[in-house]
Amino acid sequence: DSGVTQTPKHLITATGQRVTLRCSPRSGDLSVYWYQQSLDQGLQFLIHYYNGEERAKGNILERFSAQQFPDLHSELNLSSLELGDSALYFCASSVVVTGELFFGEGSRLTVL
Amino acid sequence: SQQGEEDPQALSIQEGENATMNCSYKTSINNLQWYRQNSGRGLVHLILIRSNEREKHSGRLRVTLDTSKKSSSLLITASRAADTASYFCATGPYGQNFVFGPGTRLSVLP
Repeated sequence: DSGVTQTPKHLITATGQRVTLRCSPRSGDLSVYWYQQSLDQGLQFLIHYYNGEERAKGNILERFSAQQFPDLHSELNLSSLELGDSALYFCASSVVVTGELFFGEGSRLTVL
Repeated sequence: SQQGEEDPQALSIQEGENATMNCSYKTSINNLQWYRQNSGRGLVHLILIRSNEREKHSGRLRVTLDTSKKSSSLLITASRAADTASYFCATGPYGQNFVFGPGTRLSVLP
């Protein structure tokens, strides 16, 4: 158990819908990272938050947004969903920006 | 584009053999990390090597780093069926974020 909690574990929805994925980092970890993993794209970095502030954006679509709350949990919002958004979405946390990443078990999103 | 690229993409070996995976990257880094992912599960951190280190050991794992060639290797000795997984390298350019390569799929046959 990494100590990082992601909910929901599985989510099935339709095209055009909006979903929110939630991540609770390990106690004390200030950094939260979001990654998307699909079969044909590998593990893609989406966004990084540190202590409530956005630090960097990767290959995150404009339809996607994220935030980190004062209690350090983070949410990834995916809207106007398309079939191609079906993937595993991972959250990872770390104590410092350049430290070891601890991954949650992921949220598997299926868009029908 | 990916910062790190693992090689080979897939590797199949017999139990007891050694497995070697390589990672190449493009820019200067602060450290390099190796992770393992069992199918459909979250990634698990294996080992971190800093840019001023050349070799590091952890149990059956040996990692080397050659910053002049911008490459790293992960050696798993005396492999076991339980080592079957995908292995990823992640590079952390100083102050930046971790970018993962496409991974090496290792199959250890009993």
